[in-house]
Amino acid sequence: DTGVSQDPRHKITKRGQNVTFRCDPISEHNRLYWYRQTLGQGPEFLTYFQNEAQLEKSRLLSDRFSAERPKGSFSTLEIQRTEQGDSAMYLCASSTGQGIEQYFGPGTRLTVT
Amino acid sequence: QKEVEQNSGPLSVPEGAIASLNCTYSDRVSQSFFWYRQYSGKSPELIMSIYSNGDKEDGRFTAQLNKASQYVSLLIRDSQPSDSATYLCAVSGGGADGLTFGKGTHLIIQP
Repeated sequence: DTGVSQDPRHKITKRGQNVTFRCDPISEHNRLYWYRQTLGQGPEFLTYFQNEAQLEKSRLLSDRFSAERPKGSFSTLEIQRTEQGDSAMYLCASSTGQGIEQYFGPGTRLTVT
Repeated sequence: QKEVEQNSGPLSVPEGAIASLNCTYSDRVSQSFFWYRQYSGKSPELIMSIYSNGDKEDGRFTAQLNKASQYVSLLIRDSQPSDSATYLCAVSGGGADGLTFGKGTHLIIQP
């Protein structure tokens, strides 16, 4: 059973550019979550999907952020007009149901210069 | 606003001793509680989940939950140098499925 995968693992971009990250959950996990983690902090919840439906969005998810899961399998997180404050580790997790264990992928480390 | 509080440490424990990590949470309707281990530069790795009051043991790890006191703890027995990491407490519930994490406790096991 393969775990959660994320691509790319590292991304360096210039301020103002758009970036897109991909997450492939554990197969048959219908829930997929996005989190952001900065140095010295715990992960912060951004949004989650049950199948293709986006069910919850954090107030942290500004209008520059958009997430999709069009076929209920992989998901993408896009950040438009990146800012230096967007520099962080972006983590994806998946689970089989509400309120149960979530398993994290390796993360995508974003650096905005 | 849900909050999860952890002592950031570092918590230094001799090899072979018991490491005790603590966490308090603010939202009384929280229903699910998790401990994750995170090595520097890596992603969180789930090590324990607990849903009801009492103790839950898995190998060298024991999670303890007291909902009345809004308190969760993790005990690591026979601590090994490889246990040195940041331990994150996370909770969910109250209709929200996203996890709320504490800032983590940095644990150092001294050989």
